[in-house]
Amino acid sequence: KAGVTQTPRYLIKTRGQQVTLSCSPISGHRSVSWYQQTPGQGLQFLFEYFSETQRNKGNFPGRFSGRQFSNSRSEMNVSTLELGDSALYLCASRPGRADGYTFGSGTRLTVV
Amino acid sequence: ELKVEQNPLFLSMQEGKNYTIYCNYSTTSDRLYWYRQDPGKSLESLFVLLSNGAVKQEGRLMASLDTKARLSTLHITAAVHDLSATYFCAVVRFGTQGGSEKLVFGKGTKLTVNP
Repeated sequence: KAGVTQTPRYLIKTRGQQVTLSCSPISGHRSVSWYQQTPGQGLQFLFEYFSETQRNKGNFPGRFSGRQFSNSRSEMNVSTLELGDSALYLCASRPGRADGYTFGSGTRLTVV
Repeated sequence: ELKVEQNPLFLSMQEGKNYTIYCNYSTTSDRLYWYRQDPGKSLESLFVLLSNGAVKQEGRLMASLDTKARLSTLHITAAVHDLSATYFCAVVRFGTQGGSEKLVFGKGTKLTVNP
């Protein structure tokens, strides 16, 4: 059974650019969540999507956005990148409520 | 606002010793997770605890949950070097839309097991 797939694994971008990260959940999992991990702030919730709808959003600026497609794949976009956006971005999927989360390997974004 | 506190944040122990990591949370929740993270890697699910008094064990790790005290513990028995990693607890916080939720993580406990 394939796990949660995140692409790309590593990314280097320049300040002011934008970036799009992709997440393919486990087949049959309709809920996809995104988390940002930094040494200073730890693991912080970004968004949750279910059936192409954003159900929940964390306390991040509007530069962070996302979407989910009909096949449950999700993308997140960060515009006008700042140095502080350098982080490991983790995607997690779950089949439904009260189920466990399976995390992908993450995308490590470095902003220079 | 749900707060999750783990302690200790750093733990250095010798092989063969026992120790406990504590996870306190500030508001009620119906689920608590423990994860392991190796350097540069993703989060590996260890346990999900659903109800008061729940206890789960896997190898040298045992997790328990006391919902009245809002406390979970991760007990390490006879530690071995392979257990060196960062351990996170995460508590579910429901959103306003039906079915929506998020995980609120503790800051993690970096465990180093020395030979």
